[in-house]
Amino acid sequence: GNSVTQMEGPVTLSEEAFLTINCTYTATGYPSLFWYVQYPGEGLQLLLKATKADDKGSNKGFEATYRKETTSFHLEKGSVQVSDSAVYFCALSNAGGTSYGKLTFGQGTILTVHP
Amino acid sequence: DTEVTQTPKHLVMGMTNKKSLKCEQHMGHRAMYWYKQKAKKPPELMFVYSYEKLSINESVPSRFSPECPNSSLLNLHLHALQPEDSALYLCASSFDLPYEQYFGPGTRLTVT
Repeated sequence: GNSVTQMEGPVTLSEEAFLTINCTYTATGYPSLFWYVQYPGEGLQLLLKATKADDKGSNKGFEATYRKETTSFHLEKGSVQVSDSAVYFCALSNAGGTSYGKLTFGQGTILTVHP
Repeated sequence: DTEVTQTPKHLVMGMTNKKSLKCEQHMGHRAMYWYKQKAKKPPELMFVYSYEKLSINESVPSRFSPECPNSSLLNLHLHALQPEDSALYLCASSFDLPYEQYFGPGTRLTVT
């Protein structure tokens, strides 16, 4: 079946530091990959997506590249801000098989950015 | 516009109450979802509606009853809940299966 593994958290950074949150996946076929962000007390927001190998998703300074050879979709940002403090979820969606229509989530990574 | 709205924002109910959660989207999406999320955990899928028909039920207890009256609206009827059902209930929608999902802000449910 499908699975998503995210780096262990929590992650604590100083403002303007470089961020990487690792995400690797297991899936059959050609899944679509997503990063969602959840701010305290809110729902999930779609941060970025990639639907095929070598696609780069980007939004609000965040980037992630769909690497099929390493089955990875690592999230990066060059300079984090205090307002980026949130929980980040990596997820995949598969167009076929028994998981059709379902999002498979990683366990989430809590990011805290200090001034 | 990628907005999914949910009401109420907060709900406190006793174990014998009946209540409903409401979700609405006006993006023309044909798939709608209910999730349950416990603190510090990823959302857990409960139900999926596709073209107003129940497509997936993740073996959810019958005290949760979904309803999709039309393509824009999704309800979750609650009856005889348990304290362990206290959680954030999230609604989501997508253009179709298996496109990216857009989530609402959630309903924080407390069962006393």
